[in-house]
Amino acid sequence: LAKTTQPISMDSYEGQEVNITCSHNNIATNDYITWYQQFPSQGPRFIIQGYKTKVTNEVASLFIPADRKSSTLSLPRVSLSDTAVYYCLVGDMYNTDKLIFGTGTRLQVFP
Amino acid sequence: DTGVSQDPRHKITKRGQNVTFRCDPISEHNRLYWYRQTLGQGPEFLTYFQNEAQLEKSRLLSDRFSAERPKGSFSTLEIQRTEQGDSAMYLCASSPREGKGYEQYFGPGTRLTVT
Repeated sequence: LAKTTQPISMDSYEGQEVNITCSHNNIATNDYITWYQQFPSQGPRFIIQGYKTKVTNEVASLFIPADRKSSTLSLPRVSLSDTAVYYCLVGDMYNTDKLIFGTGTRLQVFP
Repeated sequence: DTGVSQDPRHKITKRGQNVTFRCDPISEHNRLYWYRQTLGQGPEFLTYFQNEAQLEKSRLLSDRFSAERPKGSFSTLEIQRTEQGDSAMYLCASSPREGKGYEQYFGPGTRLTVT
């Protein structure tokens, strides 16, 4: 299984760029990398998904090296409202065996 | 807003009672997922539908849990003979037909408290 490993927690200050790295050494050819954000008492929110290289949207960027064994979620200029738990998932839509959220990375943004 | 909706948002029940939750996915999404989440943990996959067919069910899921999606639209999750350990947030998500990885859109959840 493409087990993922990400830091348990991170701290940052408003206005800084935050990079959260996820390791997935056993990623399979058909797997995509997907990131979610979750606030307390809410459902997770889809942030970004990628297969290789770099993906950017209005919320974040996702950097994926050529070997795809890791990925980095980049949040530009964070604000207090970015304080949340971030989850990295690796898999493809046809295989729920890898649909594991884990405990994610708890990001705390300070003023 | 045509996102995923769940009903009820909160449910308090006594141990031994049956409860049923409803999920209405985004209308053009053909896949629907149920999850359970307890405090401090990420969502735990329970089951998955593609249209009306239940394709996957977690091996950890008790026989007291059953889910349906009769017409490939809304879905229900029933828990029979509830136990205190069933207290959790139950989340529903849907994903688009053309999705590839785990791109899903979650509802607000139903918080179940079993007393």
